[in-house]
Amino acid sequence: AQSVSQHNHHVILSEAASLELGCNYSYGGTVNLFWYVQYPGQHLQLLLKYFSGDPLVKGIKGFEAEFIKSKFSFNLRKPSVQWSDTAEYFCAVTPYFGNEKLTFGTGTRLTIIP
Amino acid sequence: NAGVTQTPKFQVLKTGQSMTLQCAQDMNHEYMSWYRQDPGMGLRLIHYSVGAGITDQGEVPNGYNVSRSTTEDFPLRLLSAAPSQTSVYFCASSYRRTGTYEQYFGPGTRLTVT
Repeated sequence: AQSVSQHNHHVILSEAASLELGCNYSYGGTVNLFWYVQYPGQHLQLLLKYFSGDPLVKGIKGFEAEFIKSKFSFNLRKPSVQWSDTAEYFCAVTPYFGNEKLTFGTGTRLTIIP
Repeated sequence: NAGVTQTPKFQVLKTGQSMTLQCAQDMNHEYMSWYRQDPGMGLRLIHYSVGAGITDQGEVPNGYNVSRSTTEDFPLRLLSAAPSQTSVYFCASSYRRTGTYEQYFGPGTRLTVT
């Protein structure tokens, strides 16, 4: 079975700072990778996804993530954060073949200080 | 499309009471699932379904029942509520196509069991 680790539980940044949130997964085969965002009081929204191809994927709101297969990592980045990026961020994984079950990390709470 | 809808948005139950959380989607998705979200634990899969008439257990199924009589609906039943079931519950759905398991989430139901 797959698993996901997000080691940053709470990150606090000032506006305009650069962001990198860590995500590592454990699984022996090919995977799909996702980052979801949950703004305060709202449901999860897909930020970006990786299925295959270019390991650098771009998502909404200026976010991007890089899949490094050798490191089993899928870190989320943004060059310059805004106050409106305050939210909880979840990394998730599914096996590429025959299994839709998403496995989530425990989430990283991001607080942006104006 | 309304996407994934959930009712109710909030619910308070007494220990031992039963209730059903409703989930519906209008995207003709084959796969539907229920998660619970607890602080510091991310989202954990309760039950899922790959089509009408087919359901299976996820990571934390105890105390919950599901059925899938139609493609659109996937209700979650709490048989005898316990304080440990206080949580936010999310329903999600997706297509079943290899390599494209992007899941869409409903707005959630916040359940408190006293």
